[in-house]
Amino acid sequence: DQQVKQNSPSLSVQEGRISILNCDYTNSMFDYFLWYKKYPAEGPTFLISISSIKDKNEDGRFTVFLNKSAKHLSLHIVPSQPGDSAVYFCAASSPNTNAGKSTFGDGTTLTVKP
Amino acid sequence: EAQVTQNPRYLITVTGKKLTVTCSQNMNHEYMSWYRQDPGLGLRQIYYSMNVEVTDKGDVPEGYKVSRKEKRNFPLILESPSPNQTSLYFCASRGHDGYEQYFGPGTRLTVT
Repeated sequence: DQQVKQNSPSLSVQEGRISILNCDYTNSMFDYFLWYKKYPAEGPTFLISISSIKDKNEDGRFTVFLNKSAKHLSLHIVPSQPGDSAVYFCAASSPNTNAGKSTFGDGTTLTVKP
Repeated sequence: EAQVTQNPRYLITVTGKKLTVTCSQNMNHEYMSWYRQDPGLGLRQIYYSMNVEVTDKGDVPEGYKVSRKEKRNFPLILESPSPNQTSLYFCASRGHDGYEQYFGPGTRLTVT
């Protein structure tokens, strides 16, 4: 049973447009959510996070939205740049269990075309 | 520079030949984890450690061992590797006051 799902394996957008990456989760105990970005031949790097007490968190061109009732979060990148082309992983944590272990989705490969 | 290092980066071995993948972090982090990444399966946790001498199983621990004798090091041991352990492995660490993890560059393991 996959508790964190990223249903779109890939996404292609034009430079300057908005990229929207989606993530769904099933475990209502998750209360902290993170996005990581991964370039080829490198490890994932932390991008942005959101606590369940918020519905939006913004950091520059990156905004994460959380809809707890729908168990859904999304990452918006505006404007998208070619350097944003990477695999994006959504992750969810339950800080009070398993030492705050994160459960990851399968990842979405974003391609931003110049 | 804050970082997590892994060695080797690439390894090709044969079934049954014991191997160790090393992981080291210089951030004095309490928590360390090992993950494997396989196509269509995302990142799955193998083992994690909450501090020195404290380790526990993750989601896919079968066929792996770990140890945490020093805070900075968290080696992954495959006593008798099998072809189904061919994968991309990542070590990660995090401090006690945050949830974001710092990942190593990955180790590409092939078992023939």
